[in-house]
Amino acid sequence: NAGVTQTPKFQVLKTGQSMTLQCAQDMNHNSMYWYRQDPGMGLRLIYYSASEGTTDKGEVPNGYNVSRLNKREFSLRLESAAPSQTSVYFCASSEALPPSTEAFFGQGTRLTVV
Amino acid sequence: GEDVEQSLFLSVREGDSSVINCTYTDSSSTYLYWYKQEPGAGLQLLTYIFSNMDMKQDQRLTVLLNKKDKHLSLRIADTQTGDSAIYFCAEISGRDDKIIFGKGTRLHILP
Repeated sequence: NAGVTQTPKFQVLKTGQSMTLQCAQDMNHNSMYWYRQDPGMGLRLIYYSASEGTTDKGEVPNGYNVSRLNKREFSLRLESAAPSQTSVYFCASSEALPPSTEAFFGQGTRLTVV
Repeated sequence: GEDVEQSLFLSVREGDSSVINCTYTDSSSTYLYWYKQEPGAGLQLLTYIFSNMDMKQDQRLTVLLNKKDKHLSLRIADTQTGDSAIYFCAEISGRDDKIIFGKGTRLHILP
């Protein structure tokens, strides 16, 4: 039972490079999320998708794009990486409605932009 | 907008009780959660409470909810070194079912 799988686990980019962070869940969840975690800032929501085919901006969407490819997959793209995007990125998924509203998290992607 | 606030750090001696506090703003929240993040790992659900409850106990964990003051707390009895982690308070927005997290409280255990 894989849960939420994120790839890659680690990545170093040069400023201006682009990359896509992949996320897949096998729990048939409707909602998926991308967060970034920075020291002293906690978890900040970048984008979320309440269902297949819909995406919405979170707290810090600038510099990112997302794609909800299908119900399983939700990718996060950095078109032109900046040092300010150095962070740990977490993907999560959940059912939209109670009672099964627990969010399941991937193990994180540690991204460094130099 | 919705907001969840919690203090960033807490230090507790091993064997004492830890109390982590959280306040939230969305009065339509139906569920409130505590997640635990151990070093180098993602978040895992620790416990949750439904908004019509005021207390929930699960072994060493006690969750207290004061809905009038929009205040949630997590008490860990007999704190152990394995409890050292970041604890996140979270709520489900009643408007759009989005999960809103606090910034996390780092629990440090003193010997």
